[in-house]
Amino acid sequence: DAGVIQSPRHEVTEMGQEVTLRCKPISGHDYLFWYRQTMMRGLELLIYFNNNVPIDDSGMPEDRFSAKMPNASFSTLKIQPSEPRDSAVYFCASSFRQGMTFGSGTRLTVV
Amino acid sequence: GESVGLHLPTLSVQEGDNSIINCAYSNSASDYFIWYKQESGKGPQFIIDIRSNMDKRQGQRVTVLLNKTVKHLSLQIAATQPGDSAVYFCAEMIIRWATSGTYKYIFGTGTRLKVLA
Repeated sequence: DAGVIQSPRHEVTEMGQEVTLRCKPISGHDYLFWYRQTMMRGLELLIYFNNNVPIDDSGMPEDRFSAKMPNASFSTLKIQPSEPRDSAVYFCASSFRQGMTFGSGTRLTVV
Repeated sequence: GESVGLHLPTLSVQEGDNSIINCAYSNSASDYFIWYKQESGKGPQFIIDIRSNMDKRQGQRVTVLLNKTVKHLSLQIAATQPGDSAVYFCAEMIIRWATSGTYKYIFGTGTRLKVLA
């Protein structure tokens, strides 16, 4: 199993541009999570899905953030328009029951 | 509100010694407690978990202790090695099968473990 696969690993973009982060969860996992990690705020849950359905998006900072899970093997997190304060490492994780498996993350830098 | 917090942001341990990383939690309804290890440039990695009805669980070189009376969780690493240097997160998981069939995860802020040669 290749684990949770995220792309890209690094993204540098200019303020105002649209950014799309991608995630392929582990096959058979029924939960998918998007986290953001910064030095100041640590790990923050943005949104999570159960069987492709968004369950809790209360962590999504604002309307500029949106996430989709069109099928069990793919999810996207989109930021439009991006701002410098969105710079962080974004992790996708999937799980079946209590153990979460994280991807390697996408380091986003908005300049 | 609900929270999981760590007492020590940085812990320095001599190689070969035992490490103890502590975590306080506030939600009595948590069903599982999990420890994660995050190495530089990587995502958090599952280490060990413990159900709320247990007080101790052992893995390979790691032991998790749960004290529900004082809402305290600890991770003990035996014979600490340089490869153990990382940030360790505790997390609590609340299962809501009776309502929505979903669950909630709460992560702590993390403790950095430094292993000294």
